[in-house]
Amino acid sequence: QKEVEQNSGPLSVPEGAIASLNCTYSDRGSQSFFWYRQYSGKSPELIMSIYSNGDKEDGRFTAQLNKASQYVSLLIRDSQPSDSATYLCAVSRLNQGGSEKLVFGKGTKLTVNP
Amino acid sequence: GAVVSQHPSRVICKSGTSVKIECRSLDFQATTMFWYRQFPKQSLMLMATSNEGSKATYEQGVEKDKFLINHASLTLSTLTVTSAHPEDSSFYICSARVRVGEKLFFGSGTQLSVL
Repeated sequence: QKEVEQNSGPLSVPEGAIASLNCTYSDRGSQSFFWYRQYSGKSPELIMSIYSNGDKEDGRFTAQLNKASQYVSLLIRDSQPSDSATYLCAVSRLNQGGSEKLVFGKGTKLTVNP
Repeated sequence: GAVVSQHPSRVICKSGTSVKIECRSLDFQATTMFWYRQFPKQSLMLMATSNEGSKATYEQGVEKDKFLINHASLTLSTLTVTSAHPEDSSFYICSARVRVGEKLFFGSGTQLSVL
C-alpha cells in the first residue's frame, strides 16, 4: 500500500458545482494533513491544513479528516475554472532521523468546465 | 505569508556539469528545509531533509555524493547536482518551515534539463 493514495483523475466538474477530492494514508501515527494546489510547471501552494478529526472550512474550501478511517478529503464549493489544477494531499510522518517530513500523494487533476 | 526564494528557475546544462540551486527563506528563519524532486505527472518525492548546521538526512535511494546539500544558515540551503546526467532532468523544489508540524512554504522550483 502506498503511503498516501489519491485518485489521479482527471476529475471534471461544471462551473459552480462541488468538487470532491479524496485521500487515504497508511501511517496511523500521522498528525498533520495538508492540501496543496499545483498548477502545471509551478510549485505547490497550500490550500488547507487540518490536524484534528472533523471539518475545517475556509471560504469555498472544506477539509475533512477521519483518523479512524485514515481518510482526508477536500471539498471545493462553487467551483471556478481557475480552480483547475492538480491537488496534492500531503501527510506528515517521521523521517529516518526522527524528524518530521511530508509525504505527498500523486495528486488529483481537477478540471472545472465553464 | 512567508516567502521562500529559489534560484535559478530554469537550468539547461551539458551532461557531466554540476548545477547549484539556492533556496532562501526571505522573512523567517527556517530550521528545516526540504528538497523535493518531481518528474512529469508524478508526485513530489522527498530527496533530503536539511537542518541548519548539521548534515542532511537523505531518503533511501538518493545518492549523497551526487546531490550535495548545504544548510549553512537559517535562511539558506543549497542543492548541488554533481556530474549531472540526462536522467537527473527534473523539477527540483525546496521548501522550508519554522517548526515541526507547521506548514511548508515552497520555493518556485527549478526546472533542470541535462542535455
